[in-house]
Amino acid sequence: GIQVEQSPPDLILQEGANSTLRCNFSDSVNNLQWFHQNPWGQLINLFYIPSGTKQNGRLSATTVATERYSLLYISSSQTTDSGVYFCAVEREDSSYKLIFGSGTRLLVRP
Amino acid sequence: NAGVTQTPKFRVLKTGQSMTLLCAQDMNHEYMYWYRQDPGMGLRLIHYSVGEGTTAKGEVPDGYNVSRLKKQNFLLGLESAAPSQTSVYFCASTAHVGEAKNIQYFGAGTRLSVL
Repeated sequence: GIQVEQSPPDLILQEGANSTLRCNFSDSVNNLQWFHQNPWGQLINLFYIPSGTKQNGRLSATTVATERYSLLYISSSQTTDSGVYFCAVEREDSSYKLIFGSGTRLLVRP
Repeated sequence: NAGVTQTPKFRVLKTGQSMTLLCAQDMNHEYMYWYRQDPGMGLRLIHYSVGEGTTAKGEVPDGYNVSRLKKQNFLLGLESAAPSQTSVYFCASTAHVGEAKNIQYFGAGTRLSVL
């Protein structure tokens, strides 16, 4: 099946710093989403981005489908950005099934 | 508008007991999913449904059954719980049509421990 690899697995930042999270996938996809899981376990969709670039406030994401990777940028990080960031993909020939990476655990220190 | 609601939030079972987890969504979404999340891992798909009366297997379906008798509800059943089913269970739904298609909306999770 399709492999989804996220890096780095863990990241510690000082408040105000910028960061880039990476998601590599092993096959063509028609759906890629980034999620944030907060320290209370709630999963929130950040971006639906099978290709191209999107921005939402301090967050932006870029997916280069032909090279099978996606990047999530966090600028001017805040303590509320802490949690786990997941990338999830759906294969082109799949029936709406998302495959999740193992996540990047982010801690932003005040 | 509550979104996706899961009940119960916590449950402790003994090995061999059965239980049903309920997921309800009020967004009129066609597609619903059940995932499990184990420590340090991403979510893995257990079963999913693309409409009322339909269900299909995901990555890790063994030991679970599901039913989608009403469009807004998706039930996950454990007939004979095992310690390996200790996990956090998440339900999600998506419209798959319109501007927000393919975006999955998640419930708050159910933390299940099987002793």
